Amino acid sequence: DVKVTQSSRYLVKRTGEKVFLECVQDMDHENMFWYRQDPGLGLRLIYFSYDVKMKEKGDIPEGYSVSREKKERFSLILESASTNQTSMYLCASSLLGLGMGETQYFGPGTRLLVL
Amino acid sequence: GENVEQHPSTLSVQEGDSAVIKCTYSDSASNYFPWYKQELGKGPQLIIDIRSNVGEKKDQRIAVTLNKTAKHFSLHITETQPEDSAVYFCGGIGGGADGLTFGKGTHLIIQP
Repeated sequence: DVKVTQSSRYLVKRTGEKVFLECVQDMDHENMFWYRQDPGLGLRLIYFSYDVKMKEKGDIPEGYSVSREKKERFSLILESASTNQTSMYLCASSLLGLGMGETQYFGPGTRLLVL
Repeated sequence: GENVEQHPSTLSVQEGDSAVIKCTYSDSASNYFPWYKQELGKGPQLIIDIRSNVGEKKDQRIAVTLNKTAKHFSLHITETQPEDSAVYFCGGIGGGADGLTFGKGTHLIIQP
């Protein structure tokens, strides 16, 4: 059974803190994604990765970075958290073929509150 | 890149009635259109998808139709049930390799 897990369901951090959000998939998928979800704005792509150590900017990469040292793990990093980064963060993975229409499998999400 | 617009943002229907959610896209090279359902407290989950070489696809009470000329596609849910209450997202993949672009979501409410 397909599984994408995220390290925390809820997280509270202070402005200026460095924040790590971890995502692990157990399906040997090539592609991994980080989205943020905000009311009225839907899902917006932050970064994605199509291979180990590879990363590509999505639509809203500012204020974020990512790391993919192993195929199964994709980390989202907020170098200096700000209140406008309070959001729901969703990780997803897909087998291969960006642009080829592969199903994306989502984790349960991490709700981050930055005070 | 691709731009996907979704309507309505909220849809309330009586249990047993049909629900239709519509999306339009901008990139004529788009070739894949998935629909995801997100239940409260969970991540989105794929419920049905359609590729650009097909006009319609059905899976039990759910169907998706695609009009390539008009660049729009729709999700149809018949005989709605309480468990259909959720947020639904449409998506599109453009001609490039930028991944999925999602619509802003539709909150479907099934009234008993």
